[in-house]
Amino acid sequence: EAGVAQSPRYKIIEKRQSVAFWCNPISGHATLYWYQQILGQGPKLLIQFQNNGVVDDSQLPKDRFSAERLKGVDSTLKIQPAKLEDSAVYLCASSQRRGRNYGYTFGSGTRLTVV
Amino acid sequence: DAKTTQPNSMESNEEEPVHLPCNHSTISGTDYIHWYRQLPSQGPEYVIHGLTSNVNNRMASLAIAEDRKSSTLILHRATLRDAAVYYCILNAGGTSYGKLTFGQGTILTVHP
Repeated sequence: EAGVAQSPRYKIIEKRQSVAFWCNPISGHATLYWYQQILGQGPKLLIQFQNNGVVDDSQLPKDRFSAERLKGVDSTLKIQPAKLEDSAVYLCASSQRRGRNYGYTFGSGTRLTVV
Repeated sequence: DAKTTQPNSMESNEEEPVHLPCNHSTISGTDYIHWYRQLPSQGPEYVIHGLTSNVNNRMASLAIAEDRKSSTLILHRATLRDAAVYYCILNAGGTSYGKLTFGQGTILTVHP
């Protein structure tokens, strides 16, 4: 089966600019997650979707970050305006369903550098 | 959130078994134990998960203590490709239902 696709692979922007990341999950996976991974740390959950609805966005900095999942398939994560501390790898993951007995499949991530 | 404790790092030799420990003394009865690994410059990769019984798959085995307060991920014959950060995570209920909260993990170094 095809994996989780993410693009772009790398992005360099100046602070205060905006940026968007795209994710295409595994076909049929109802649950989609966005994680932020700062260098040297474990991934941190930003937002969780179940189909096209938000289940949990408690860790999303809503003053600058936004995410959507149209039609319950692809998803985009946007940062506007970017800050230096947003430099990180942004990982998208999907699972068949939301639950404790389901594994996640992660994409390779988008490495964002804010200068 | 229920927490896990793992050693910061471990070392192994190629073709030898590796036992990666994880403590989760505050685990509740319905929390699943998940293991993921992350190779350099890649996203985390699912390894294995279980609830009470030991589990085996093509990648590894998961041994769960009878009281469920600890578990061990077993790589039967380490290869250089197994060098990665290994995360032990509890997939819990309540407000954390269906969410994976990553800690620092264990950095596994495999020597040729």
